[in-house]
Amino acid sequence: QVQLVESGGGLVKPGGSLKLSCAASGFKFRDYYMNWIRQAPGKGLEWISYIGSDGTTISYADSVRGRFTVSRDNAKNSLYLQIYSLSAEDTAVYYCARDYGGMDVWGRGTTVTVSS
Amino acid sequence: EIVLTQSPGTLSLSPGERATLSCRASQTVSSSYLAWYQQKPGQAPRLLIFAASNRATGIPDRFSGSGSGADFTLTITRLEPEDFAVYYCQQYGGSPWTFGQGTKVEI
Repeated sequence: QVQLVESGGGLVKPGGSLKLSCAASGFKFRDYYMNWIRQAPGKGLEWISYIGSDGTTISYADSVRGRFTVSRDNAKNSLYLQIYSLSAEDTAVYYCARDYGGMDVWGRGTTVTVSS
Repeated sequence: EIVLTQSPGTLSLSPGERATLSCRASQTVSSSYLAWYQQKPGQAPRLLIFAASNRATGIPDRFSGSGSGADFTLTITRLEPEDFAVYYCQQYGGSPWTFGQGTKVEI
């Protein structure tokens, strides 16, 4: 079945880095734009980034531009989010989602906690 | 960027009642590229509506979307117990994509 599974979250100290992964299955990953979205505890959804099907089209939210880097490996059906210079404000559940006229498939999310 | 403002913040209704949720954009949303999502506690969001008025696969017909330009509405005609949740609008007509702050539909 169509599925997205995020991984790589955890507890990180302020100023640290982390790389999140999203493994896709059940569909032709290389045909779709993909998104990263996050949700801080008790807060709403915040779109972070999208990447085009071949990896050449990329966009970031202003709040993360320069600290976050999105990438993909279509051969491995995988999406990535490299996060640098983490702060407490980055504490959130991070979701990946397939883009197809709205975000029609979501993973369950991976939790990133930034704390000393 | 396009700012989406949802109203009301909270909607208190009973099962069987009609829910009307609003999403207003700070500028025209290109091609009505607006989506609605439902999120329940501890779950990922679920796509309900795309392109303002098109139901996603498997979404019951009690959910409908309407609107164009900068004003959009999600209507739930008869609330079922499982519909009590938080609803978000999201625009994908202009980069960066943005979400509204959400409307909680509570019993």
